[in-house]
Amino acid sequence: EVQLVESGGGLVKPGGSLRLSCAASGFTFSSYSFNWVRQAPGEGLEWVSSITSATYIYYADSVQGRFTISRDNAKNSLYLQMNSLRAEDTAVYYCARATYITGASADSWGQGTLVTVSS
Amino acid sequence: NFMLTQPHSVSESPGKTVTISCTRSSGSIASNYVQWYQQRPGSVPTTVIYEDNQRPSGVPDRFSGSIDSSSNSASLTISGLKTEDEADYYCQSYDSSNHWVFGGGTSLTVL
Repeated sequence: EVQLVESGGGLVKPGGSLRLSCAASGFTFSSYSFNWVRQAPGEGLEWVSSITSATYIYYADSVQGRFTISRDNAKNSLYLQMNSLRAEDTAVYYCARATYITGASADSWGQGTLVTVSS
Repeated sequence: NFMLTQPHSVSESPGKTVTISCTRSSGSIASNYVQWYQQRPGSVPTTVIYEDNQRPSGVPDRFSGSIDSSSNSASLTISGLKTEDEADYYCQSYDSSNHWVFGGGTSLTVL
């Protein structure tokens, strides 16, 4: 069974940093691309970043230069280092596995971890 | 870059058919696959349609997807509506830089 479990969320002050993790199990982690998708309270889904199996990396303009996505295939884990956090980064952050062939969509989601940026 | 525009909300009665649209602002809707996600209140999103019109296993055939190049839009159609279909629905595609793009979401009420 595919499982994605996020952790690392919490309350942080504006300008602070946080590192999110996503532990994967039930499939060959190294073969897949992954994405971080966030959802602000009461709002819609927003794509944040992606990393392919070949470690090509992409970011949304809103987080470019502040967030860093990475993966550790030996640990079956995905990460999101978030620096210079702003109030508008407050959201539930989901780890999502991309479909194997095209990578065009998410076929599995974690339960999400809440990040709150507030003084 | 482009945007995907969805109606904010739709409502329909049980047993009826509803269609949710997703219009691409620039570039052809047919250029990149469109996906549809269902998110029930308090739950994680799940895929109901991928690659324009494909249904994941376990998704009932009451759900169907299509694209229309003339209106540059994608559509999610749900037939035989059930109260359990009440949820937010998001369309999603991607651009030439492999950035995913989500629509703003449509709240479906089944009443």
